[in-house]
Amino acid sequence: DAGVIQSPRHEVTEMGQEVTLRCKPISGHNSLFWYRQTMMRGLELLIYFNNNVPIDDSGMPEDRFSAKMPNASFSTLKIQPSEPRDSAVYFCASSPGRGRTNEQFFGPGTRLTVL
Amino acid sequence: SQQGEEDPQALSIQEGENATMNCSYKTSINNLQWYRQNSGRGLVHLILIRSNEREKHSGRLRVTLDTSKKSSSLLITASRAADTASYFCAPGGYQKVTFGTGTKLQVIP
Repeated sequence: DAGVIQSPRHEVTEMGQEVTLRCKPISGHNSLFWYRQTMMRGLELLIYFNNNVPIDDSGMPEDRFSAKMPNASFSTLKIQPSEPRDSAVYFCASSPGRGRTNEQFFGPGTRLTVL
Repeated sequence: SQQGEEDPQALSIQEGENATMNCSYKTSINNLQWYRQNSGRGLVHLILIRSNEREKHSGRLRVTLDTSKKSSSLLITASRAADTASYFCAPGGYQKVTFGTGTKLQVIP
C-alpha cells in the first residue's frame, strides 16, 4: 500500500485565494483525520470522519475552513478565503477505525504558505 | 478525548545513552499511543499500550503505563543519531486522540 497520499506537497498562495488540499487515505481505513501543525500551536485536530461522515469538526478554526469526504478514498480541506495566519503544515491521517486499535497513519503533509 | 502533556520539552543526549520521556494526562483512557515525528515529516506510530497493560516492549522501545498516576513513559535504549525527532504521546479512546506538544529529542553522534 502506498500509504496516505496528500497533494499538493507545497502550496504558496496569496491572501484571499481559495486553497484546496487533498487526501487519499489507506484503502480499507474507516476513519480520516485532518490536522494542522504550527510552531506556535503544535498539532491541532481540525476534523475527523468516520465512514465518510464528519464526526467532530470542533477544531475547525472558522467558517473559512470546510472539509468534505465524498467517498471512502478521497477527502478535501478547503480554505476560502485564505489568510497569512493559515500558513502551516496540514496533515491527513487515516485509521482502521475498527475494534480498540486506533493507530493513525499520517501522510507526508502539505506545507501551505499564504502571502 | 484529552491532550497528553510530554515532559521534558527538549532532551539532548549522547549516542548510546538512554532517553526517557514522560507523558501525563487527566482522565481515564482506553489506551495510549506514542508517535515519532522526524523533521518535515508526518507522525509515525511507535507503540500502543492498553489501559490494562503496565509495560510493553518493541525493539529498543519500552513503554510503561501507570493508570493510577495517569502517566506513561517512553524509554529508548542505546540511542542512535537517527532517533533524533519529536516524540508525542496520545492518550485516548477508540477514535479521536489529541496530541500534546511533544518532546524534542536530539541524539548527538
